[in-house]
Amino acid sequence: DSGVTQTPKHLITATGQRVTLRCSPRSGDLSVYWYQQSLDQGLQFLIQYYNGEERAKGNILERFSAQQFPDLHSELNLSSLELGDSALYFCASSVGGGRGSTEAFFGQGTRLTVV
Amino acid sequence: AQSVAQPEDQVNVAEGNPLTVKCTYSVSGNPYLFWYVQYPNRGLQFLLKYITGDNLVKGSYGFEAEFNKSQTSFHLKKPSALVSDSALYFCAVTPRGAGSYQLTFGKGTKLSVIP
Repeated sequence: DSGVTQTPKHLITATGQRVTLRCSPRSGDLSVYWYQQSLDQGLQFLIQYYNGEERAKGNILERFSAQQFPDLHSELNLSSLELGDSALYFCASSVGGGRGSTEAFFGQGTRLTVV
Repeated sequence: AQSVAQPEDQVNVAEGNPLTVKCTYSVSGNPYLFWYVQYPNRGLQFLLKYITGDNLVKGSYGFEAEFNKSQTSFHLKKPSALVSDSALYFCAVTPRGAGSYQLTFGKGTKLSVIP
């Protein structure tokens, strides 16, 4: 168990809908990262938050947004869902937020299926 | 931008034999390099990392990796494979230095250890 908790584990929704994925980082970790894993794109970095502020942005669509709350948990919001958004979404956390020498710990992921 | 190549989609090895999973990278400046493993329906688990110093890095479960700067490689190795090592292995890189931290992953290599 990595200590990173993601809910829900599975989510099935229709095209056009909006969903929220939740992540609780390991105790003491200030950074939260979101990744999308799909068969064709592999693991893609979406966004990083550090202590409540956006730190880095990757291949995140405009339909997607995230935030990190004062208690350090994070939510990833996906709206106007399309079939192609079906993927496994991972949250990871780490102590640091800058130099990258500390490893990130991953949750078990949320499998999103858009029908 | 950084990138990672894992040239083999699948590696098959007999139990008890040595295994190698290959990884090459491209990054500006010096890298931080990581290996993660993903078991079915699980999140990614950290195996080992190269930050600086000794080019041979030892990690969890008897795995090690060798950093070769001239060949820009970071191959994962284990002297004697176990059936339980069968999983999906990801190499990842992030550039060294202050600032944002975002792991760039390879496409993954599926390791099958045959009894």
